[in-house]
Amino acid sequence: EVQLVESGGGLAQPGGSLKISCAASGITFSRYWINWVRQAPGKGLEWVASIKEDGSKKWYADSVRGRFTVSRDHAEKSLYVQMDSLRAEDTAVYYCVGGDVFEIWGQGTMVSVSS
Amino acid sequence: QSVLTQPPSASGTPGQRVTMSCSGSSSNIGSQYFSWYRQVPGKAPKLLINTNNQRPSGVPDRFSGSKSGTSASLAISGLRSEDEGDYYCATWDVSLNVWVFGGGTKLTVL
Repeated sequence: EVQLVESGGGLAQPGGSLKISCAASGITFSRYWINWVRQAPGKGLEWVASIKEDGSKKWYADSVRGRFTVSRDHAEKSLYVQMDSLRAEDTAVYYCVGGDVFEIWGQGTMVSVSS
Repeated sequence: QSVLTQPPSASGTPGQRVTMSCSGSSSNIGSQYFSWYRQVPGKAPKLLINTNNQRPSGVPDRFSGSKSGTSASLAISGLRSEDEGDYYCATWDVSLNVWVFGGGTKLTVL
């Protein structure tokens, strides 16, 4: 079964850090462009970042550039987002999404930023 | 404000055909492939249409996509109650070098 499973969400303080993960199964991980998309409570979808199949190129939304860093580990078939300098507006469900047309979605992990 | 503009709501009765729009510009919809997604409450979005008008396996042919200039459309024929949900369009913007999503259209089956 094709699956992307996010983990690591939780509560963080403004200015703090959090690292969320995405584990892939049922796919040839090295062939997939992986993306992160978030959804604030009651709001629409917002693209956050993408990383190329081999990890050689990364793209970030202006809202997170310089604060978030995406990486991937092919041996572990996992993707990571290191989130630093967190802000209240980063509060959202974060989805790990596989493919260059966003065809495989994880179930999401909730990140809350609050004091 | 989203780079791609979608009407906030749409509705129809069972069996009807409904369409929803996604308006962009020459740097996104006008020159790039686009996709459509549906999200039901509490669930992750699901890909409906990709590369302009291709349906992934399992998506019924009642769903179809089209483009005219800088606007994309999603049509649903033979509307069913299970089609209710939030529909999002998305594409790459070559000027901004970012992926962009529309604000979403909430479809209600009356």
